[in-house]
Amino acid sequence: AQSVTQLDSHVSVSEGTPVLLRCNYSSSYSPSLFWYVQHPNKGLQLLLKYTSAATLVKGINGFEAEFKKSETSFHLTKPSAHMSDAAEYFCVANTGGFKTIFGAGTRLFVKA
Amino acid sequence: DTEVTQTPKHLVMGMTNKKSLKCEQHMGHRAMYWYKQKAKKPPELMFVYSYEKLSINESVPSRFSPECPNSSLLNLHLHALQPEDSALYLCASSQDFYNEQFFGPGTRLTVL
Repeated sequence: AQSVTQLDSHVSVSEGTPVLLRCNYSSSYSPSLFWYVQHPNKGLQLLLKYTSAATLVKGINGFEAEFKKSETSFHLTKPSAHMSDAAEYFCVANTGGFKTIFGAGTRLFVKA
Repeated sequence: DTEVTQTPKHLVMGMTNKKSLKCEQHMGHRAMYWYKQKAKKPPELMFVYSYEKLSINESVPSRFSPECPNSSLLNLHLHALQPEDSALYLCASSQDFYNEQFFGPGTRLTVL
């Protein structure tokens, strides 16, 4: 069965410090992987995507993610957190079927 | 134009009302989706349209009725809803099932 696991339900960082949001996936096939961000009462915005090209993917707003097939991971990082990064983050997998698989989400808190 | 629009932004309805949610995209995408999102949860897929034909219905109650009049429009007709149907309803579109989905801002639905 295919699944996406976000290892932390909440992450709290101080402004200006690095961010790490962890995501593992399980799939019989090589999936397309995505990170989305959702601010309160808003829709989801795509941060970045992996589709079997470069394993290090750069996204918007300074976010990056690295696809590691051996670890089945796709962790999201940012060198320096900003207050505006406080939001819910979803790791998402698409294995080519109709269904898109969402992780449970990680709430990022950024302290001043 | 890389935007998915949804109307209305907010909707309050009684259990005997009939209402509709609307979604529009002009990116030439051929797949469109309806999701339901409860607080602090990831979006749950309700319906998928591919080339204006319903491809997936995730066993959604018949009080929700989707309609895809053309490749740019997607409606969700609501009738005899229950208070537990109160949620954020998100529309999304994608070029195909392998690519990223673009989400609208959502409609916040409250059923009294």
